[in-house]
Amino acid sequence: QQQVKQSPQSLIVQKGGISIINCAYENTAFDYFPWYQQFPGKGPALLIAIRPDVSEKKEGRFTISFNKSAKQFSLHIMDSQPGDSATYFCAASLNFNKFYFGSGTKLNVKP
Amino acid sequence: GAVVSQHPSRVICKSGTSVKIECRSLDFQATTMFWYRQFPKQSLMLMATSNEGSKATYEQGVEKDKFLINHASLTLSTLTVTSAHPEDSSFYICSASLDTGELFFGEGSRLTVL
Repeated sequence: QQQVKQSPQSLIVQKGGISIINCAYENTAFDYFPWYQQFPGKGPALLIAIRPDVSEKKEGRFTISFNKSAKQFSLHIMDSQPGDSATYFCAASLNFNKFYFGSGTKLNVKP
Repeated sequence: GAVVSQHPSRVICKSGTSVKIECRSLDFQATTMFWYRQFPKQSLMLMATSNEGSKATYEQGVEKDKFLINHASLTLSTLTVTSAHPEDSSFYICSASLDTGELFFGEGSRLTVL
């Protein structure tokens, strides 16, 4: 059973637009939800993370929205830039013992 | 953020040989490190959890004798692909967690088996 489901698989956004990537999880015991950004040929880099006791976290142009009752969380990239073009992975963890990753979203920001 | 260094970044080997990949936490001590495998355009697949001073815990379907993991110190874990075959060609990524639980990844190692 897939623990974390991510959508869309790919996303094209115009420069300056808002990119939105969604994830849904199964296990209500998950207590840490990070987002990672990966460029081709590189390892993923931690972008932003949230705990389930808050509904939103913002860092610069990146915002995580968290809906505990719906078991969903999303990444919003405001004022998207071509340099944001990458693959984004959501993840969920229980006590940091194991991380379950979404299937990834390839974002392409058009100039 | 914390720095995790992985070496080599690319390796090409002949079928039947063994390849070792190193993963180091440069500015922190990592009790636990994780090894992932990533196929093109796919997500990260957890292969094993490496604990310093003890045997690694392998995920279901991962061959322990094929993928040897050693976590000899708090800053170094190694993955050895033994008797490599073309189907082992992949992108291997290690990660290490801070005491806070945040996970940081290495740059990855591209293995090509001819």
